[in-house]
Amino acid sequence: NAGVTQTPKFQVLKTGQSMTLQCAQDMNHNSMYWYRQDPGMGLRLIYYSASEGTTDKGEVPNGYNVSRLNKREFSLRLESAAPSQTSVYFCASSEASGRARETQYFGPGTRLLVL
Amino acid sequence: KQEVTQIPAALSVPEGENLVLNCSFTDSAIYNLQWFRQDPGKGLTSLLLIQSSQREQTSGRLNASLDKSSGRSTLYIAASQPGDSATYLCAAYSGNTPLVFGKGTRLSVIA
Repeated sequence: NAGVTQTPKFQVLKTGQSMTLQCAQDMNHNSMYWYRQDPGMGLRLIYYSASEGTTDKGEVPNGYNVSRLNKREFSLRLESAAPSQTSVYFCASSEASGRARETQYFGPGTRLLVL
Repeated sequence: KQEVTQIPAALSVPEGENLVLNCSFTDSAIYNLQWFRQDPGKGLTSLLLIQSSQREQTSGRLNASLDKSSGRSTLYIAASQPGDSATYLCAAYSGNTPLVFGKGTRLSVIA
């Protein structure tokens, strides 16, 4: 049981290049999330998918696109990378039960450096 | 809109000390309040989850309390150890929206 996996672990891009960050979960969770984490800014939600087939913007969606490929996979795409997108990106998933025990499970993160 | 605040941003204590980390939230209509731990270069790991109907949860040397009326939660760590050094984040869950996270408290326990 791998939980939430992310690829790649580390990536260096030049300004203007594109790339896709991959995320997969094996817990049969309904909801999936993409965050970025920057020093002093905490975790900021980029996009989330409440259920398969739906996606919604979070706090900082500009410059990103997402695809909920199926229930297991949720990808984040940078079409034209900018230095301001240098960050650590985390994917998370949750059951989305709407119950009081709802929590999120996080992947190990992808460190992205845009030069 | 829910806002979650953690004070202090950083804390350094000698080994063996008992300590309290604070978390405050603006909207008391929460389903639960959660505490996570993040080690450097790693993802977040759930530590404790307090449902809105509960007052506290305990796991080993960790005790988390919840006071919905005042919009506060505390994480108490007893007999701190160097291995407790990490960033601790709290998050509020309100049911229809994703978790709202605080910015975290970076804890250093000095041997």
